[in-house]
Amino acid sequence: NAGVTQTPKFRVLKTGQSMTLLCAQDMNHEYMYWYRQDPGMGLRLIHYSVGEGTTAKGEVPDGYNVSRLKKQNFLLGLESAAPSQTSVYFCATIDSGPQYEQYFGPGTRLTVT
Amino acid sequence: KNQVEQSPQSLIILEGKNCTLQCNYTVSPFSNLRWYKQDTGRGPVSLTIMTFSENTKSNGRYTATLDADTKQSSLHITASQLSDSASYICVVNHHAGNNRKLIWGLGTSLAVNP
Repeated sequence: NAGVTQTPKFRVLKTGQSMTLLCAQDMNHEYMYWYRQDPGMGLRLIHYSVGEGTTAKGEVPDGYNVSRLKKQNFLLGLESAAPSQTSVYFCATIDSGPQYEQYFGPGTRLTVT
Repeated sequence: KNQVEQSPQSLIILEGKNCTLQCNYTVSPFSNLRWYKQDTGRGPVSLTIMTFSENTKSNGRYTATLDADTKQSSLHITASQLSDSASYICVVNHHAGNNRKLIWGLGTSLAVNP
């Protein structure tokens, strides 16, 4: 099992450009999450999904959109990138067991110039 | 306000020594408390998950304790190894009704030197 994978691993964008980050999981988990991690701050939830076809806003959703057309994929889109979106982005899933174990992808490092 | 505070912010120890990391939280109500290890350039990996009724849980050389009365948790690392160098993050699961939210601490950066 690959677990949770993220594409791409690194990306540099110019202000105003758009891009999509792909998260894929092979664990058949219903819940998927997108976080961003910045120096001096804990992980912050951007958007999440509780199942195929559903999405919901997290703590810091502005400037991002998401889609969950297939259960195994969760896409994070930046329509018009800004330097404030320079960050490391992590995708995560949660299993349906009693403790809601969370599994993270390796991260995508995005720089917006 | 629901918060998770960790101390120290960073720590340097020699290989083979023990250390203890602290986590204080004000999250209420909560369903469980987690400790994660995050290596540089990687995603967090779960070390332990404890419900409010558990006092201690071990995972190899890692032992987590929880005092739900004082809202404190600690992570003790025994016989440290170079590979223990990482950030250790305390996360509290805020569970109110149908809403669950993970409240993340900022982590303790641990460096184990030879």
